[in-house]
Amino acid sequence: DAGVIQSPRHEVTEMGQEVTLRCKPISGHNSLFWYRQTMMRGLELLIYFNNNVPIDDSGMPEDRFSAKMPNASFSTLKIQPSEPRDSAVYFCASRFRTSPTDTQYFGPGTRLTVL
Amino acid sequence: KNEVEQSPQNLTAQEGEFITINCSYSVGISALHWLQQHPGGGIVSLFMLSSGKKKHGRLIATINIQEKHSSLHITASHPRDSAVYICAVCGGSNYKLTFGKGTLLTVNP
Repeated sequence: DAGVIQSPRHEVTEMGQEVTLRCKPISGHNSLFWYRQTMMRGLELLIYFNNNVPIDDSGMPEDRFSAKMPNASFSTLKIQPSEPRDSAVYFCASRFRTSPTDTQYFGPGTRLTVL
Repeated sequence: KNEVEQSPQNLTAQEGEFITINCSYSVGISALHWLQQHPGGGIVSLFMLSSGKKKHGRLIATINIQEKHSSLHITASHPRDSAVYICAVCGGSNYKLTFGKGTLLTVNP
């Protein structure tokens, strides 16, 4: 299996622009996570999907952020409008089951820079 | 105060040394994960612990549930072990991980 796939790997945009990050989880995994990593705050959970349904979006910073999972093999995280403080590395991860003891498999991340 | 505290924040060692990274947490947990993040950013899960001890190659992870403490040990360290090691705990839910800030390990040849 190719693992979790994220695109783009790097994104540089200007403040106010819309940004869309994409994730393809590992086939057969039913849980998907979006995380954000910054120097100041470390890794933080943004949103959690189970069987394509958003279960917990309490980590989404504000209404500028939205996430969708239209099917089991694709998810997007959108920021509109983007701001410089959104600059971070965004990781997608997937997991086979809903057990806390299951391993989460992380994608390579998208490094977002908002100028 | 972060619910997950790691120490040390930075660690420099010589090749061959025995390494210990510590993780303390303040909440009841169902599982604790150790992750490794290399320069360039990829994150890999090393261990999941709910009790006791696990070993994989030169890496050993232990957890003491009563003391709310876990350690990650690396025996015979090697420069390729240089990375950030992150502790994460799964608390009351079955999905939400709370992460420590990470320990930056540098192993010099």
